Amino acid sequence: EAQVTQNPRYLITVTGKKLTVTCSQNMNHEYMSWYRQDPGLGLRQIYYSMNVEVTDKGDVPEGYKVSRKEKRNFPLILESPSPNQTSLYFCASKGSSGGTDTQYFGPGTRLTVL
Amino acid sequence: AQSVTQLGSHVSVSEGALVLLRCNYSSSVPPYLFWYVQYPNQGLQLLLKYTSAATLVKGINGFEAEFKKSETSFHLTKPSAHMSDAAEYFCALLSGGYQKVTFGIGTKLQVIP
Repeated sequence: EAQVTQNPRYLITVTGKKLTVTCSQNMNHEYMSWYRQDPGLGLRQIYYSMNVEVTDKGDVPEGYKVSRKEKRNFPLILESPSPNQTSLYFCASKGSSGGTDTQYFGPGTRLTVL
Repeated sequence: AQSVTQLGSHVSVSEGALVLLRCNYSSSVPPYLFWYVQYPNQGLQLLLKYTSAATLVKGINGFEAEFKKSETSFHLTKPSAHMSDAAEYFCALLSGGYQKVTFGIGTKLQVIP
């Protein structure tokens, strides 16, 4: 089944403790992206990647890192999480970077930073 | 700068009534526009998209949207609401060489029996 998976789905952590949220897609998609969803703000793009080893900042990249060493994986790294990073995070992918293909979204990761 | 404005963060309609969810955009280049739906505790699912072909776009579940350049709008409609349409709906704009996506804040649709 074609899908985008994220792990973990729920995470409670404390300020300053490094964490990684994994994202994997099995559709051989070039493009992958991370979003955060907050009430009243909709979804905001954090980082995106047009292909392996190619990443770029979205609208809210501060406090986050990403890497794209393999085509299928696009982990989101919070080196020193803070309470303002408490949010619902979505990973997404689409076939080609330069086209208007449909984006496929993962199920989301709800992160709470105490 | 590109932006998306969704008017009305909450919309209530009666079952069987017309659904109209509003989306206006601002873009310095020809836009590509999308509507997504999010059911509770789920990810986003594409309803429909406009990519410069027909201005009236039909999507899944009986939804459609019309691209109006003169009004910079891409409103989502459905003739008759069903209870199963209760969800949050997001309008999105693709720009920046088709790489950056800007979402609206979302509209929660409530369907009243």
